[in-house]
Amino acid sequence: DIQMTQSPSSLSASVRDRVTITCRASQGISNSLAWYQQKPGKAPKLLLHAASTLESGAPSRFSGSGSGTDYTLTISSLQPEDSATYYCQQSYGLPWTFGHGTKVEIK
Amino acid sequence: EVQLVESGGGLVQPGGSLRLSCAASGFTFSSYEMNWVRQAPGKGLEWVSYISSSGTTIHYADSVKGRFTISRDNAKNSLYLQMNSLRAEDTAVYYCARSIYSGIVGYWGQGTLVTVSS
Repeated sequence: DIQMTQSPSSLSASVRDRVTITCRASQGISNSLAWYQQKPGKAPKLLLHAASTLESGAPSRFSGSGSGTDYTLTISSLQPEDSATYYCQQSYGLPWTFGHGTKVEIK
Repeated sequence: EVQLVESGGGLVQPGGSLRLSCAASGFTFSSYEMNWVRQAPGKGLEWVSYISSSGTTIHYADSVKGRFTISRDNAKNSLYLQMNSLRAEDTAVYYCARSIYSGIVGYWGQGTLVTVSS
């Protein structure tokens, strides 16, 4: 199975800060990487797929990058509504696996 | 508007069975791959099972293989998960999830809670 390691597990940042979350796969996944946002008590929401393709309706302050085994989700200017847990997920090989999540809090 | 509505969750004893259902609307159900994804209380997301649009290709996580069975009825726009030999570690919110690309979930239901406990 492909293991997905996210870091940090949590962070606290101020409104308008630039925030970066990283995700490392245990083997190369050829940009088959998605990012989801989940707020408490709600289902996850897809933000990006193919490492950097922003989903329709997702704010443009979210961006993704990376290649091989290392990927990054960046929030260019953190907003109060971005308080949530973020998960990466690889779709390169079965079983599809998720990172353990990064909880983003607003200071 | 895409809607996925799960039902069938509840409290079940270890070793028991439960059948989850997902009613789909707002899209051509028979054209899309579907999945079940679960989330244990306070924990992260775990992909459970996949079924192709026609139902001919099915995959399972090792943790449920041999105990869970995914199926679909395209005439009824419905997805199912038959869960047998349930264990405490199967306790989770189970989400019905529609793929937008293979392995990528674009739409989620609201989830249904399964609690396995004596």
